[in-house]
Amino acid sequence: AQSVTQLDSQVPVFEEAPVELRCNYSSSVSVYLFWYVQYPNQGLQLLLKYLSGSTLVKGINGFEAEFNKSQTSFHLRKPSVHISDTAEYFCAVSESGNTGKLIFGQGTTLQVKP
Amino acid sequence: DADVTQTPRNRITKTGKRIMLECSQTKGHDRMYWYRQDPGLGLRLIYYSFDVKDINKGEISDGYSVSRQAQAKFSLSLESAIPNQTALYFCATSDPGGAGGADEQFFGPGTRLTVL
Repeated sequence: AQSVTQLDSQVPVFEEAPVELRCNYSSSVSVYLFWYVQYPNQGLQLLLKYLSGSTLVKGINGFEAEFNKSQTSFHLRKPSVHISDTAEYFCAVSESGNTGKLIFGQGTTLQVKP
Repeated sequence: DADVTQTPRNRITKTGKRIMLECSQTKGHDRMYWYRQDPGLGLRLIYYSFDVKDINKGEISDGYSVSRQAQAKFSLSLESAIPNQTALYFCATSDPGGAGGADEQFFGPGTRLTVL
C-alpha cells in the first residue's frame, strides 16, 4: 500500500524568503508524484508532477520539486515567495501503470507574511 | 464557465436525512472521482468511475453511494447522514491520455456539508 507524509502542517515564512515544503512517500512499486495547491475557498489545481526522467521538475508560479528515490522524498521549493502563495499544498502519489487514483498527504499550510 | 461544477456549494442537514451532492463537467473526461477533505487528513477517495458503467469503491466508501448518470455527471449520496460526514467534498475529473496513473485531475470548487 502507498502512503504520503507531509512533515509540516504549517509553514510560516516572510515574503521574498525561500521556502521548502517536505513530502515523503512509501510504496513498493514505481510511482508518479504530484503537488497540488488549494487557494482559499477553491478546489485543488496541479502545480507540478514527476513521471520519469529528470528528477528536478519545474511547475507553475516559480515552484519546483526534486524527486529523490533513495530518500523516497519529493520536496517542493520556491526561492522567493509572495503573499499570493499563501495556500494549502498537497503532495500526492499514484502507482505508475495503474488507475489514476491519487493518495494524498495531510497537507501543508503555507502562510506568507509581509 | 467553470469546467467542473458542484451543487450545492454549501449544505446544512440533520442526522438521518438523505442528501445528494452533484457534479457536472464540460471537459469531456471519462474518469470522475469523489473525495472528502478533513482538516489534518488531506483528501480521501470515496468513489471513482472510469466510465458510465464502471464504478469503484475508494478508500472510505462506507455510508456513501454514487450514480454516474452520464459521462458528464457523477452524483454522491449520503443515504442517512451522520455528523462525522461533516466535511468538504470535492469532485474531480481526469483524462487518461498519457501513461497510466499520470493523468492530471481537475477539481471542482467543493461542497461544504454540515450534518447536525
